[in-house]
Amino acid sequence: QQQVKQSPQSLIVQKGGIPIINCAYENTAFDYFPWYQQFPGKGPALLIAIRPDVSEKKEGRFTISFNKSAKQFSLHIMDSQPGDSATYFCAASKGGATNKLIFGTGTLLAVQP
Amino acid sequence: DADVTQTPRNRITKTGKRIMLECSQTKGHDRMYWYRQDPGLGLRLIYYSFDVKDINKGEISDGYSVSRQAQAKFSLSLESAIPNQTALYFCATSADRGQYTGELFFGEGSRLTVL
Repeated sequence: QQQVKQSPQSLIVQKGGIPIINCAYENTAFDYFPWYQQFPGKGPALLIAIRPDVSEKKEGRFTISFNKSAKQFSLHIMDSQPGDSATYFCAASKGGATNKLIFGTGTLLAVQP
Repeated sequence: DADVTQTPRNRITKTGKRIMLECSQTKGHDRMYWYRQDPGLGLRLIYYSFDVKDINKGEISDGYSVSRQAQAKFSLSLESAIPNQTALYFCATSADRGQYTGELFFGEGSRLTVL
């Protein structure tokens, strides 16, 4: 019940495409859902986060869609660029607790020029 | 300079050796964490510390120990390294800003190989 299942494991899109990364959770107590972005040789960095009181959140070209009834959330990258090539991790926690974050397994995204 | 600095960045060692990974931060955060990253498994929490006198086990603490030497320093030790501890290790920090605003700030990682 503590798992966060992330798919796909890897994804290749052309420049300008809209990659979509999906995550699903079981624990209904989770109420904070961040996405972290990791470039090769670097540590992950917070990209965007959502709470379940909204169904969508946008920050620039990045959008989180949240479906509370399905216990699923997804990351969409609009007009993807080669510089977006990175590994993306979804995560979840109760109350936004940083010591209780459960991470997904990661998605390696490659955006081809 | 990086706000969260890990040393060494790469280390190759042999089974049974004692290894220490060190982390220092200039962000002024009270909270520090050690994570392990494995392909296909994501990031898993090993230990965390909310202040100098506070140490807590995470999801996968067996085979590891930590020391919080100062607010800015948090080290991870493998007393007797084994091959399945080969992984990428990350130190992270966060500020105590209340619920829903927590953000983890990661170092650049320490790649450990145990032969």
